Amino acid sequence: GDSVTQMEGPVTLSEEAFLTINCTYTATGYPSLFWYVQYPGEGLQLLLKATKADDKGSNKGFEATYRKETTSFHLEKGSVQVSDSAVYFCGLRDSNYQLIWGAGTKLIIKP
Amino acid sequence: SQTIHQWPATLVQPVGSPLSLECTVEGTSNPNLYWYRQAAGRGLQLLFYSVGIGQISSEVPQNLSASRPQDRQFILSSKKLLLSDSGFYLCAWSPVTYEQYFGPGTRLTVT
Repeated sequence: GDSVTQMEGPVTLSEEAFLTINCTYTATGYPSLFWYVQYPGEGLQLLLKATKADDKGSNKGFEATYRKETTSFHLEKGSVQVSDSAVYFCGLRDSNYQLIWGAGTKLIIKP
Repeated sequence: SQTIHQWPATLVQPVGSPLSLECTVEGTSNPNLYWYRQAAGRGLQLLFYSVGIGQISSEVPQNLSASRPQDRQFILSSKKLLLSDSGFYLCAWSPVTYEQYFGPGTRLTVT
Protein backbone atom coordinates (compact mmCIF):
# COMPACT_ATOMS: atom_id res chain seq x y z
CA GLY A 1 0.00 0.00 0.00
CA ASP A 2 0.89 3.65 -0.18
CA SER A 3 3.18 5.02 2.50
CA VAL A 4 5.07 8.12 3.56
CA THR A 5 8.39 8.20 5.37
CA GLN A 6 9.71 11.29 7.13
CA MET A 7 13.00 11.91 8.82
CA GLU A 8 12.85 11.35 12.53
CA GLY A 9 12.99 14.26 14.87
CA PRO A 10 13.44 16.29 16.74
CA VAL A 11 15.38 18.50 14.39
CA THR A 12 17.09 21.28 16.32
CA LEU A 13 18.46 24.33 14.52
CA SER A 14 19.59 27.81 15.36
CA GLU A 15 17.65 30.79 14.11
CA GLU A 16 18.46 31.76 10.51
CA ALA A 17 19.76 28.28 9.70
CA PHE A 18 18.76 26.42 6.54
CA LEU A 19 16.10 23.78 7.02
CA THR A 20 15.51 20.51 5.21
CA ILE A 21 13.01 17.92 6.36
CA ASN A 22 13.12 14.82 4.21
CA CYS A 23 9.98 13.10 2.98
CA THR A 24 9.81 10.12 0.63
CA TYR A 25 6.79 8.20 -0.50
CA THR A 26 5.65 4.95 -2.03
CA ALA A 27 2.54 5.08 -4.15
CA THR A 28 0.96 3.81 -7.29
CA GLY A 29 0.12 6.37 -9.90
CA TYR A 30 0.66 10.07 -9.35
CA PRO A 31 -0.51 11.12 -5.90
CA SER A 32 -0.87 14.70 -4.71
CA LEU A 33 1.58 15.59 -1.97
CA PHE A 34 1.17 17.86 1.04
CA TRP A 35 3.00 19.38 3.97
CA TYR A 36 1.04 20.30 7.07
CA VAL A 37 2.26 22.13 10.16
CA GLN A 38 1.02 21.70 13.72
CA TYR A 39 1.86 24.35 16.30
CA PRO A 40 1.75 23.30 19.96
CA GLY A 41 -1.76 22.58 21.18
CA GLU A 42 -3.37 23.29 17.82
CA GLY A 43 -4.80 21.41 14.88
CA LEU A 44 -2.95 20.90 11.63
CA GLN A 45 -2.70 23.60 8.98
CA LEU A 46 -2.02 23.02 5.33
CA LEU A 47 1.39 24.53 4.59
CA LEU A 48 1.85 23.71 0.92
CA LYS A 49 0.96 21.18 -1.73
CA ALA A 50 1.92 19.86 -5.15
CA THR A 51 -0.26 17.90 -7.50
CA LYS A 52 2.11 16.67 -10.21
CA ALA A 53 5.73 15.92 -10.90
CA ASP A 54 8.10 18.92 -10.82
CA ASP A 55 5.48 21.13 -9.17
CA LYS A 56 6.87 23.35 -6.45
CA GLY A 57 4.64 24.21 -3.53
CA SER A 58 5.55 27.27 -1.49
CA ASN A 59 4.18 29.23 1.44
CA LYS A 60 5.59 31.39 4.26
CA GLY A 61 9.14 30.92 2.96
CA PHE A 62 8.82 27.13 2.87
CA GLU A 63 9.20 25.21 -0.38
CA ALA A 64 8.92 21.61 -1.53
CA THR A 65 9.33 20.14 -5.01
CA TYR A 66 7.52 17.03 -6.19
CA ARG A 67 10.31 14.73 -7.43
CA LYS A 68 8.87 11.73 -9.23
CA GLU A 69 12.26 10.23 -10.05
CA THR A 70 13.29 10.09 -6.41
CA THR A 71 9.74 9.80 -4.98
CA SER A 72 10.50 12.68 -2.65
CA PHE A 73 8.91 15.89 -1.41
CA HIS A 74 11.48 17.43 0.91
CA LEU A 75 10.54 20.56 2.83
CA GLU A 76 13.03 23.45 2.79
CA LYS A 77 13.36 26.94 4.18
CA GLY A 78 16.29 29.23 3.72
CA SER A 79 16.26 30.96 7.10
CA VAL A 80 14.19 29.60 9.97
CA GLN A 81 12.74 31.58 12.83
CA VAL A 82 11.84 30.64 16.37
CA SER A 83 8.19 30.88 15.34
CA ASP A 84 8.71 27.99 12.89
CA SER A 85 9.04 25.60 15.83
CA ALA A 86 6.29 23.05 15.30
CA VAL A 87 5.63 19.52 14.11
CA TYR A 88 5.62 19.06 10.34
CA PHE A 89 3.68 16.28 8.63
CA CYS A 90 4.18 15.07 5.09
CA GLY A 91 1.24 13.39 3.40
CA LEU A 92 -0.02 12.02 0.13
CA ARG A 93 -3.52 11.64 -1.22
CA ASP A 94 -4.08 8.09 -2.34
CA SER A 95 -6.31 6.78 -5.10
CA ASN A 96 -9.23 6.60 -2.64
CA TYR A 97 -8.81 10.29 -1.81
CA GLN A 98 -7.56 9.46 1.69
CA LEU A 99 -4.51 11.16 3.13
CA ILE A 100 -1.62 8.89 4.04
CA TRP A 101 0.50 10.54 6.72
CA GLY A 102 4.11 10.46 7.69
CA ALA A 103 4.93 10.16 11.39
CA GLY A 104 5.68 13.86 11.76
CA THR A 105 8.94 15.68 12.42
CA LYS A 106 9.31 17.97 15.39
CA LEU A 107 11.32 21.10 14.61
CA ILE A 108 12.92 23.13 17.39
CA ILE A 109 14.47 26.48 16.57
CA LYS A 110 16.73 28.03 19.18
CA PRO A 111 17.33 31.79 19.28
CA SER B 1 -15.36 30.81 3.76
CA GLN B 2 -15.41 27.48 5.52
CA THR B 3 -14.80 26.99 9.21
CA ILE B 4 -14.63 23.92 11.39
CA HIS B 5 -15.46 23.81 15.08
CA GLN B 6 -14.72 21.24 17.73
CA TRP B 7 -15.80 21.07 21.33
CA PRO B 8 -14.99 20.81 24.03
CA ALA B 9 -11.41 22.05 23.74
CA THR B 10 -10.29 20.03 26.75
CA LEU B 11 -11.89 17.21 28.69
CA VAL B 12 -10.94 15.17 31.72
CA GLN B 13 -12.99 12.03 32.21
CA PRO B 14 -12.70 9.02 34.53
CA VAL B 15 -12.18 5.52 33.22
CA GLY B 16 -15.47 3.87 32.36
CA SER B 17 -17.35 7.10 31.71
CA PRO B 18 -19.02 7.90 28.37
CA LEU B 19 -17.65 10.30 25.78
CA SER B 20 -19.14 12.59 23.20
CA LEU B 21 -17.03 14.91 21.07
CA GLU B 22 -18.66 17.09 18.47
CA CYS B 23 -17.42 18.58 15.23
CA THR B 24 -19.30 20.90 12.93
CA VAL B 25 -18.38 22.49 9.62
CA GLU B 26 -19.75 25.73 8.23
CA GLY B 27 -19.70 27.17 4.76
CA THR B 28 -19.73 24.00 2.71
CA SER B 29 -22.04 21.15 1.91
CA ASN B 30 -21.55 17.40 1.64
CA PRO B 31 -17.98 17.44 2.96
CA ASN B 32 -15.97 14.35 3.72
CA LEU B 33 -15.41 14.26 7.48
CA TYR B 34 -12.65 12.62 9.49
CA TRP B 35 -11.76 11.82 13.09
CA TYR B 36 -8.10 11.41 13.99
CA ARG B 37 -6.36 10.66 17.25
CA GLN B 38 -2.89 11.83 18.12
CA ALA B 39 -1.23 10.26 21.13
CA ALA B 40 1.34 12.36 22.96
CA GLY B 41 4.38 12.91 20.78
CA ARG B 42 3.03 10.61 18.09
CA GLY B 43 1.65 10.86 14.60
CA LEU B 44 -1.91 10.86 13.32
CA GLN B 45 -4.14 7.83 13.52
CA LEU B 46 -7.25 7.91 11.35
CA LEU B 47 -10.19 6.61 13.38
CA PHE B 48 -13.26 7.20 11.21
CA TYR B 49 -14.25 8.92 8.03
CA SER B 50 -17.58 9.72 6.47
CA VAL B 51 -18.58 10.58 2.92
CA GLY B 52 -22.20 11.34 3.75
CA ILE B 53 -24.97 11.31 6.35
CA GLY B 54 -25.10 7.96 8.09
CA GLN B 55 -22.08 6.66 6.17
CA ILE B 56 -19.21 5.86 8.52
CA SER B 57 -16.05 3.91 7.80
CA SER B 58 -13.97 2.65 10.70
CA GLU B 59 -10.22 2.36 10.28
CA VAL B 60 -9.24 0.95 13.66
CA PRO B 61 -11.16 -1.49 15.87
CA GLN B 62 -11.65 0.06 19.29
CA ASN B 63 -14.27 1.07 21.82
CA LEU B 64 -15.02 4.29 19.96
CA SER B 65 -17.81 4.94 17.49
CA ALA B 66 -18.76 7.78 15.20
CA SER B 67 -21.99 9.13 13.83
CA ARG B 68 -22.99 11.72 11.28
CA PRO B 69 -26.56 12.76 12.05
CA GLN B 70 -26.44 15.84 9.82
CA ASP B 71 -24.48 16.77 6.72
CA ARG B 72 -22.00 18.97 8.57
CA GLN B 73 -21.95 17.33 11.98
CA PHE B 74 -19.66 14.53 13.05
CA ILE B 75 -19.73 13.01 16.52
CA LEU B 76 -17.21 10.75 18.22
CA SER B 77 -18.52 8.64 21.09
CA SER B 78 -17.62 5.98 23.56
CA LYS B 79 -19.76 4.11 26.07
CA LYS B 80 -16.86 3.38 28.43
CA LEU B 81 -13.55 5.19 28.22
CA LEU B 82 -10.23 3.43 28.69
CA LEU B 83 -6.96 4.98 29.87
CA SER B 84 -5.58 4.33 26.39
CA ASP B 85 -8.22 6.62 24.90
CA SER B 86 -6.33 9.66 26.17
CA GLY B 87 -5.00 11.84 23.41
CA PHE B 88 -5.59 14.77 21.12
CA TYR B 89 -8.64 14.27 18.90
CA LEU B 90 -8.78 16.10 15.63
CA CYS B 91 -11.69 16.50 13.29
CA ALA B 92 -11.08 17.37 9.66
CA TRP B 93 -13.13 18.01 6.57
CA SER B 94 -12.31 17.97 2.90
CA PRO B 95 -13.98 18.74 -0.37
CA VAL B 96 -14.76 15.48 -2.09
CA THR B 97 -11.38 14.94 -3.64
CA TYR B 98 -8.76 17.16 -2.15
CA GLU B 99 -6.82 18.36 0.91
CA GLN B 100 -8.11 18.19 4.46
CA TYR B 101 -8.76 21.09 6.80
CA PHE B 102 -8.47 20.54 10.51
CA GLY B 103 -10.30 21.78 13.55
CA PRO B 104 -8.54 23.04 16.68
CA GLY B 105 -8.71 19.67 18.42
CA THR B 106 -9.93 18.29 21.74
CA ARG B 107 -7.45 17.28 24.43
CA LEU B 108 -8.89 14.25 26.24
CA THR B 109 -7.37 12.97 29.45
CA VAL B 110 -8.78 9.78 30.91
CA THR B 111 -7.95 9.38 34.59
